[in-house]
Amino acid sequence: DVKVTQSSRYLVKRTGEKVFLECVQDMDHENMFWYRQDPGLGLRLIYFSYDVKMKEKGDIPEGYSVSREKKERFSLILESASTNQTSMYLCASSPGGEGADTQYFGPGTRLTVL
Amino acid sequence: QKEVEQDPGPLSVPEGAIVSLNCTYSNSAFQYFMWYRQYSRKGPELLMYTYSSGNKEDGRFTAQVDKSSKYISLFIRDSQPSDSATYLCAMRGPGYSTLTFGKGTMLLVSP
Repeated sequence: DVKVTQSSRYLVKRTGEKVFLECVQDMDHENMFWYRQDPGLGLRLIYFSYDVKMKEKGDIPEGYSVSREKKERFSLILESASTNQTSMYLCASSPGGEGADTQYFGPGTRLTVL
Repeated sequence: QKEVEQDPGPLSVPEGAIVSLNCTYSNSAFQYFMWYRQYSRKGPELLMYTYSSGNKEDGRFTAQVDKSSKYISLFIRDSQPSDSATYLCAMRGPGYSTLTFGKGTMLLVSP
């Protein structure tokens, strides 16, 4: 069965802290994505990666960075968390080629920045 | 004009009703169309996938694409309380790397 896991379901951090969100997929997928989801704004793409060590900016990359050292793992980093980064963060993965549109999502991490 | 428009709802229907969920889009290059379902406090899951125009049926669900009107629909027959969720449309053009999502429509099916 397809599986995308995220390191935490709920996370509370303070302004200025460095925050790491981890995502792991066990499907040998080429592509991985980080989104944030906010009421009224929907899903917004932060960064994506189509290969190990490769990354591309999405629609809202400011304030975030990513790391993909291994194919199965994609990390989202908030260098200095701010209150406007309080959100639900969703990781997804998809195969390359013909199956690329089928994104499998993790359960999400609800991050609160105080 | 936003690329993908989707009424946020909520759409409330009684059990057994036929439900119609819709998205309009502005980018004529979009060719691949998807519907994702998201239950509360869960990640979205792919429900239906269609390429270009036409209909696709899967059990109680039918996806319809009208490229001439830039309009896609998801129909749910004999709706059940377990269908209560947020439904997100998503689409992509050829050569694009990423999906463009609608903001989602919340559906509530009452017993």
